[in-house]
Amino acid sequence: AQKVTQAQTEISVVEKEDVTLDCVYETRDTTYYLFWYKQPPSGELVFLIRRNSFDEQNEISGRYSWNFQKSTSSFNFTITASQVVDSAVYFCALSGNYKLTFGKGTLLTVNP
Amino acid sequence: DGGITQSPKYLFRKEGQNVTLSCEQNLNHDAMYWYRQDPGQGLRLIYYSQIVNDFQKGDIAEGYSVSREKKESFPLTVTSAQKNPTAFYLCASSIPGRHNEQFFGPGTRLTVL
Repeated sequence: AQKVTQAQTEISVVEKEDVTLDCVYETRDTTYYLFWYKQPPSGELVFLIRRNSFDEQNEISGRYSWNFQKSTSSFNFTITASQVVDSAVYFCALSGNYKLTFGKGTLLTVNP
Repeated sequence: DGGITQSPKYLFRKEGQNVTLSCEQNLNHDAMYWYRQDPGQGLRLIYYSQIVNDFQKGDIAEGYSVSREKKESFPLTVTSAQKNPTAFYLCASSIPGRHNEQFFGPGTRLTVL
């Protein structure tokens, strides 16, 4: 069975702080993909990134960066110099068998 | 603009009534999905369809039904057999395959009174 754990239920930071959201996964598949989604207060999930299990290179996109470590089954997400607009629920997800398994999400609040 | 439409945004029904939530996409995606989200919970898969006229149960299909008669449409019916139907429902679509990202609609918040 697949499982995604986001241990941080809520995180609160002050604007311009860096923040890391943790994601740990379990799977028996040798080929899989990991995802991050953002859910702003409007409710719609916004796709942020997809990484495959064979590519452990870190990825950076603007203020966002992702650290994938297969040895610890983790796919952590860091926001550098956070902004109020980053306030949202963030979900980590794992692919397998034609569907995604989601973690319970981390509510990030960035205060001015 | 290509995207996924879910209507209405808010829906109220009396207990014991069936209700159908609509989901339409013009992304030309073959695969479509329905999820349920409860406060503090992740997304749980209700039903999914990889191709027209075919669909499979997800993790929490009891009390729900779907149809997939057209590529663009994947309506979800919440039946009176669903014991706790009040929730936020999200529809998604993707190109078919085991590992493709899904794109989501704006969601429908269903409240059963």
